[in-house]
Amino acid sequence: GNSVTQMEGPVTLSEEAFLTINCTYTATGYPSLFWYVQYPGEGLQLLLKATKADDKGSNKGFEATYRKETTSFHLEKGSVQVSDSAVYFCALSDNTGGFKTIFGAGTRLFVKA
Amino acid sequence: GAGVSQSPSNKVTEKGKDVELRCDPISGHTALYWYRQSLGQGLEFLIYFQGNSAPDKSGLPSDRFSAERTGGSVSTLTIQRTQQEDSAVYLCASSSTGFTDTQYFGPGTRLTVL
Repeated sequence: GNSVTQMEGPVTLSEEAFLTINCTYTATGYPSLFWYVQYPGEGLQLLLKATKADDKGSNKGFEATYRKETTSFHLEKGSVQVSDSAVYFCALSDNTGGFKTIFGAGTRLFVKA
Repeated sequence: GAGVSQSPSNKVTEKGKDVELRCDPISGHTALYWYRQSLGQGLEFLIYFQGNSAPDKSGLPSDRFSAERTGGSVSTLTIQRTQQEDSAVYLCASSSTGFTDTQYFGPGTRLTVL
């Protein structure tokens, strides 16, 4: 069945550091891939998405490229800010298994000033 | 409304009682999802409604859990004979059509079973 594996946290970085959060997936179909973010005290919201291979999703300085050959969708940001402190979830959905979305376990990011 | 709303925001109940959690999706969204988020854990899929199709119930953890969606809009998640392990935040999300669409999440209902 489909699955999503993302790096365990917490990840602690200093402001302006480079961020990578790894995400790999297993899917039987041709999935769409998502990164969702949950800021402290707030609900989940979409950060970015990519719906086919080689697509790059980007938003708020974050980027992720859909790599079919490595089944990966790693999240990157060149220079993190304290306000990026949150929990980040990688997710997958496709047209097998009833269209449900599979979420990774989440990676908590702490950014220090 | 402007977003997905859920009620109540917090629910404290005694073990063995039944609870009902409500979700109002974004108007016009045909897909509705329920998830459970336990402390420090990821999101666990519970159930998915899409239009008039039969719901995907494959994530419901036991027959104590059920959900319905009336008129293609409001959904209610019911947990019968609650147990302490049911304590979690229950999240509802809706999306406009299919699986490539962004899901918009509600604020969640925090359920505590004593």
